[in-house]
Amino acid sequence: EADIYQTPRYLVIGTGKKITLECSQTMGHDKMYWYQQDPGMELHLIHYSYGVNSTEKGDLSSESTVSRIRTEHFPLTLESARPSHTSQYLCASSARFPGQENGYTFGSGTRLTVV
Amino acid sequence: KNQVEQSPQSLIILEGKNCTLQCNYTVSPFSNLRWYKQDTGRGPVSLTIMTFSENTKSNGRYTATLDADTKQSSLHITASQLSDSASYICVVTRMDSSYKLIFGSGTRLLVRP
Repeated sequence: EADIYQTPRYLVIGTGKKITLECSQTMGHDKMYWYQQDPGMELHLIHYSYGVNSTEKGDLSSESTVSRIRTEHFPLTLESARPSHTSQYLCASSARFPGQENGYTFGSGTRLTVV
Repeated sequence: KNQVEQSPQSLIILEGKNCTLQCNYTVSPFSNLRWYKQDTGRGPVSLTIMTFSENTKSNGRYTATLDADTKQSSLHITASQLSDSASYICVVTRMDSSYKLIFGSGTRLLVRP
């Protein structure tokens, strides 16, 4: 079954550590996105990609970086985690024209806690 | 400015009751409007998607309406269940080269026994 997968689901890590949040999709979607969401708050776009070797920063400034070497894979990296990075990170993917039914799909998220 | 405003911010209802959530938007040009359900700590799950020409769409006990003239949408939940407790997010896609999604801040619904 086509889907979008994020790992890990939960991560507790110490300040200064490097972390990579994984996101993969099996739907063949060209576009992929990373959102940051604090508890009870709205989603904020931090990175997006329209295809391989294409990455752009989103509306909310983030110290994280992303890469898109393969269509299905869009990892997010924090070189040096800080407590201010504590949040939920949601990955999404969309078809070329996301007006299609089910054309914009979210993963289950990674809840990151930096201590 | 492209905006999506949702009301109420939060809502508490008793199990079995109906409720209606509101979404007003100023996004232009308009492509489509989606309602998502987001359980605590999970990713949003799509409930409905409506284009300009559609004014109602149902998904089980969820019925969404769209008035493209007044730029308003509503999500009606019938015979609520405890599992309906979640945040409901209205998302409007802007019809341009980026097909950018504009998110509302959501309505937090709590269904009590």
